[in-house]
Amino acid sequence: GENVEQHPSTLSVQEGDSAVIKCTYSDSASNYFPWYKQELGKRPQLIIDIRSNVGEKKDQRIAVTLNKTAKHFSLHITETQPEDSAVYFCAARLPNSGYSTLTFGKGTMLLVSP
Amino acid sequence: EAQVTQNPRYLITVTGKKLTVTCSQNMNHEYMSWYRQDPGLGLRQIYYSMNVEVTDKGDVPEGYKVSRKEKRNFPLILESPSPNQTSLYFCASSTTGEQYFGPGTRLTVT
Repeated sequence: GENVEQHPSTLSVQEGDSAVIKCTYSDSASNYFPWYKQELGKRPQLIIDIRSNVGEKKDQRIAVTLNKTAKHFSLHITETQPEDSAVYFCAARLPNSGYSTLTFGKGTMLLVSP
Repeated sequence: EAQVTQNPRYLITVTGKKLTVTCSQNMNHEYMSWYRQDPGLGLRQIYYSMNVEVTDKGDVPEGYKVSRKEKRNFPLILESPSPNQTSLYFCASSTTGEQYFGPGTRLTVT
């Protein structure tokens, strides 16, 4: 099966700085890579995703990059704000595992200080 | 409103007492999953379903059962709960892209 490693486990930044979270995956056949944000006491919610035929995707202050050769993908948040403080999870999906199967990383707690 | 619902939201029970956590979605999604979330371990898949009467094990299925008799419902059954099943449980549904998560069920087994 797939295995996803996520780093760092915690990340503290000052408001306005950029934050980068990195994930590596083990199975080169994985073709879908979502990022979820989970605020304290809430459910995970999708913030951005990328498919294997795309190298980069951007949505306002967040972007995701994918390097298929190295089997890693990263989340970039620019101009961080206190409301970005949350736990972020990366995930990967294999094409033959069905659309209901995601393998998640262990999460990164992002703390943005004013 | 499109949503995934779970019940109960909180449950404290004792070892060995059978329980069911319900999950329902109103988006006509084919795919549904159950995850458990534990500190430092992220989200781990317990079971998933690709359609009615089609279910399969995820990464941590031991001690759990599921059923998918109707498209909208995907209950999680703990026949004989043990303290190591104390966790936060999320149900999710999807089509071919985004997974939509339910609000979570916090289960404590004493």
